[in-house]
Amino acid sequence: GENVEQHPSTLSVQEGDSAVIKCTYSDSASNYFPWYKQELGKRPQLIIDIRSNVGEKKDQRIAVTLNKTAKHFSLHITETQPEDSAVYFCAAPGYGQNFVFGPGTRLSVLP
Amino acid sequence: NAGVTQTPKFRVLKTGQSMTLLCAQDMNHEYMYWYRQDPGMGLRLIHYSVGEGTTAKGEVPDGYNVSRLKKQNFLLGLESAAPSQTSVYFCASSYRGIGGELFFGEGSRLTVL
Repeated sequence: GENVEQHPSTLSVQEGDSAVIKCTYSDSASNYFPWYKQELGKRPQLIIDIRSNVGEKKDQRIAVTLNKTAKHFSLHITETQPEDSAVYFCAAPGYGQNFVFGPGTRLSVLP
Repeated sequence: NAGVTQTPKFRVLKTGQSMTLLCAQDMNHEYMYWYRQDPGMGLRLIHYSVGEGTTAKGEVPDGYNVSRLKKQNFLLGLESAAPSQTSVYFCASSYRGIGGELFFGEGSRLTVL
């Protein structure tokens, strides 16, 4: 089955700096890769996703890049703000109609 | 439009007790999922359903049962609760399965003493 690794597990950045979180997956047939953000005590919510037919997707300060050859995809957050502080999860398709999630990255944006 | 609703939000059980978590969605989604979230381990899939009357095992199904008698509801049961089942449980639904967004409920915090 699919195995998803995520690094780093914790990340602290100064406000205004950029943050990058990387995930690797094992199943070369996977073709959809979402990123979820979970604020403290809240439910996870989708912030951006990418399909395997493109290499990069941007939405304002957030971008995701995909390298299918190396089987990794990354979340990029530019000009970080305090409200970006949260836990971020990547995911990849698992066996059947379900997702396998990475263990999460706790991002802290320091003022 | 309430989205995905979970009940109860909090519950404390004693070892050996049973309980049922209810998940309801009003988006007419075919796919529904139950995940558990433990510190440092992300979201792990317990069971899922690809439509009314269907269920399938996920990554960590032992000790849990599920039922999907109606399209809008997905029930998660613990027949004999154990301390290892202390966790936060999230229900989610999706229109497209693995090709689309998961919509999560607010979570249910379960403590087993």
